Amino acid sequence: AQSVTQPDIHITVSEGASLELRCNYSYGATPYLFWYVQSPGQGLQLLLKYFSGDTLVQGIKGFEAEFKRSQSSFNLRKPSVHWSDAAEYFCAVGPNNNNDMRFGAGTRLTVKP
Amino acid sequence: DAGVTQSPTHLIKTRGQQVTLRCSPKSGHDTVSWYQQALGQGPQFIFQYYEEEERQRGNFPDRFSGHQFPNYSSELNVNALLLGDSALYLCASSFGSDYEQYFGPGTRLTVT
Repeated sequence: AQSVTQPDIHITVSEGASLELRCNYSYGATPYLFWYVQSPGQGLQLLLKYFSGDTLVQGIKGFEAEFKRSQSSFNLRKPSVHWSDAAEYFCAVGPNNNNDMRFGAGTRLTVKP
Repeated sequence: DAGVTQSPTHLIKTRGQQVTLRCSPKSGHDTVSWYQQALGQGPQFIFQYYEEEERQRGNFPDRFSGHQFPNYSSELNVNALLLGDSALYLCASSFGSDYEQYFGPGTRLTVT
């Protein structure tokens, strides 16, 4: 069965520091992998996705993620965090872009001034 | 171009009651999916509607049902509400099954 684990419930980083959010997945076939961001009172916004090809994926707002099949991981990174990046981040896995997607429990990011 | 819209924003119901939530997809989208997001959890897939039929369903009881109208808008109905149904209900729309889905802001349901 497909599943996603986000080991870190809450992460605090200083503004300008680098960020890495961890995501591990379990999936029997080639998965679609996603990172979404959710700000308070907002729906989910897609940051980036991976299905095939280059394992380093660039997304919006300066985020990138690297797919590592051997580690079943799809970690999200940003070289320099801005205060506006404070939000909840969700990793997800699916058989395609929008059907029966499984989400992790999320990582809440706090940005210190 | 309006994105995905949901109504109402907030809703308070009593155990045992029934509730209907509504979703209007983004313009040009024909597929609607519903998710339940409990506090402190990630969204859980409830079901997906395409061409007015339920195409796929997650692990939710029959108390959860839905409908899609000819204009692609959708409703989520929950019968015999339980306290555990309290959650944020998210609607997402897409064009077909292999295109990026866009999420609405959600409806916050509180069951007392």
